[in-house]
Formats: sequence, structure tokens, C-alpha cells
Amino acid sequence: QSVLTQPPSVSGAPGQRVTISCTGGSSNIGAGFHVHWYQQLPGTAPKLLIYGNNKRPSGVPDRFSGSKSGTSASLAITGLQAEDEADYYCQSYDSGLRTSVFGGGTKLTVL
Amino acid sequence: EVQLVESGGGLIQPGGSLRLSCAASGFTVSSSYISWVRQTPGKGLQWVSMIYRSGATYYADSVKGRFTISRDSSKNTLYLQMNSLRAEDTAIYYCTRDLDYGGTNDAFDLWGQGTVVTVSS
Repeated sequence: QSVLTQPPSVSGAPGQRVTISCTGGSSNIGAGFHVHWYQQLPGTAPKLLIYGNNKRPSGVPDRFSGSKSGTSASLAITGLQAEDEADYYCQSYDSGLRTSVFGGGTKLTVL
Repeated sequence: EVQLVESGGGLIQPGGSLRLSCAASGFTVSSSYISWVRQTPGKGLQWVSMIYRSGATYYADSVKGRFTISRDSSKNTLYLQMNSLRAEDTAIYYCTRDLDYGGTNDAFDLWGQGTVVTVSS
């Protein structure tokens, strides 16, 4: 299993708000390491969505936002659109493993 | 256009070797931090290796001693030499560029399209 824990799936109707959680521990998120989020559309490579806990790269809509508290982080998507249907992954660093670590991914379904 | 393009994947028998290439355009690999990240249905995304601007190299424990990352500045290309391949190395291999935003840890802002490695007899 992954070092960072994400729910396998979430869903929402168009226009709604959904959140995806990412739970770690004291050697990664809780140790102060930043959390990054990626969106992976079917058949494509992951795309950086949020970095440094809450920063958006140029071109990412402000419907996407990130937050972090304690040993967990969250990705929020507001105004859900059909094109948001994808897999989402969180990433941080683990001081015990001394590597970047990823969550297992969450599949977002737009109803 | 800023991009990474991987090649070199394929079907290989256990114990065999394969060299992946990652051609960069629009930026200089020797001025960047570049990683290989692999993805499997079972284990998800896994960081494999990184090469720093300085040339220093780092590896995940699962590939240490078997994989070697390198670069050719004249060709602006990264490589991943994979030896003693195992079934569990089967994955899509992506090369990625570090955003280098000054934060606490790496964020990968540019990904190639990936190349598929299948280790099977």
C-alpha cells in the first residue's frame, strides 16, 4: 500500500464541489514537507495541478485549490465539470524512506 | 516547445537489460533536476531515480545497484540503464522535470508521454 492514503474514488454532479483527502504521517506531511497534486486524464501522463500545498501552476483554473493541515492535505474542486473526470494523485517527501512518495490515487467521476 | 520524449521500452526477459532514453527540447537538461517515475496498476506512481544539475544521482532502494541514470548534454538527453530486470519492474516509465520552486521537496512540472517496459518470459 502507498505511504500516502487517498480514497479510491469520489464523485459529484456538474457544478458541485468535491474534495479529495491525502493522509500521511509524521515522517512526510506531518514533518512539514509540501504536498503536490497531479491530474491524470485517461491514457495520458500526470499533470501538475497544485504544488507547494496550495499554489497553482500557470494555466490551472482557480476551481482547483489545495490545503494542508497536520498530517493531511486536501484537494478541492469547485464548479465540477465533465472534463475534470480523471485520476488525482498527491505527492510529498518521506524523511524515513528518503524518497518522494505518492498517494494511491483517487478516481473522480462526474455524474 | 518544452517537452520530454521517452523511448526504448519494450518486452524483455527477466534478468535482461534495457536502456530508456528521454530527449528534452525547449530547455537544457544539465540545468535541471530530472527524475524517472514509473507507474503500475498495482503500486501506482513510484519515484525511481533523479539526476541533479551537479550530476549527483539518487535511486529508490528497489532499483539501487541495478539501474543507472545518466545524461548526455550534447544530445540534451537523459538515460536510464536498467539491468537485472525483474517482473516487478514492469511499468510505464516517465521522465519528469523538477519545478525547482524553492520548496521543501520536488514537484514534477513536466512529464513525457511515457514508455512501457514489460518484463516477462
